[in-house]
Amino acid sequence: KQEVTQIPAALSVPEGENLVLNCSFTDSAIYNLQWFRQDPGKGLTSLLLIQSSQREQTSGRLNASLDKSSGRSTLYIAASQPGDSATYLCAVTQGYALNFGKGTSLLVTP
Amino acid sequence: SAVISQKPSRDICQRGTSLTIQCQVDSQVTMMFWYRQQPGQSLTLIATANQGSEATYESGFVIDKFPISRPNLTFSTLTVSNLSPEDSSIYLCSVVEGRNQPQHFGDGTRLSIL
Repeated sequence: KQEVTQIPAALSVPEGENLVLNCSFTDSAIYNLQWFRQDPGKGLTSLLLIQSSQREQTSGRLNASLDKSSGRSTLYIAASQPGDSATYLCAVTQGYALNFGKGTSLLVTP
Repeated sequence: SAVISQKPSRDICQRGTSLTIQCQVDSQVTMMFWYRQQPGQSLTLIATANQGSEATYESGFVIDKFPISRPNLTFSTLTVSNLSPEDSSIYLCSVVEGRNQPQHFGDGTRLSIL
């Protein structure tokens, strides 16, 4: 059974810092890995998708990497802003449905 | 990407009653899913909503408790039956248009049970 773990569970940083969120998964036979953002009381917003054959994806200040063989992914956020405050979820798929981690709750303070 | 509308956004229900949640997509999609997010937990897949046939349920979820309809490729409903306090959660529908395409979610339905 695929297990997805996210570290840290919570993170507080001052505005402007670069930060890294970590995600690990137990079964490397995945099709892709997706990072989401969830704001309080809201649904999920897709940030980045990395296919199993890819090593990284970038969107603006976000960069996600994937090391499938070791079962790890990182989400790098550059020059953090208070608007980045949210819960970040990592999910992997071995078909179509997603297996989620518990998320990292990020607070960026002005 | 597909735009997903989910209704209601929140509800407070009495024990023993049922709530039906609607999910409407602005384009035809093959794969549609229902997830549950319990307080402080991550998302867990309830079932895959199959168009024109019975939904495929994950272990721990049964049709009598979570009946699902999918009459066409743009619409699905999830009913949570015989509500108990343990059903207090956020319920989310999602769609994906291909195996290596991003999955997109509705805003969710926040359900509280009195």
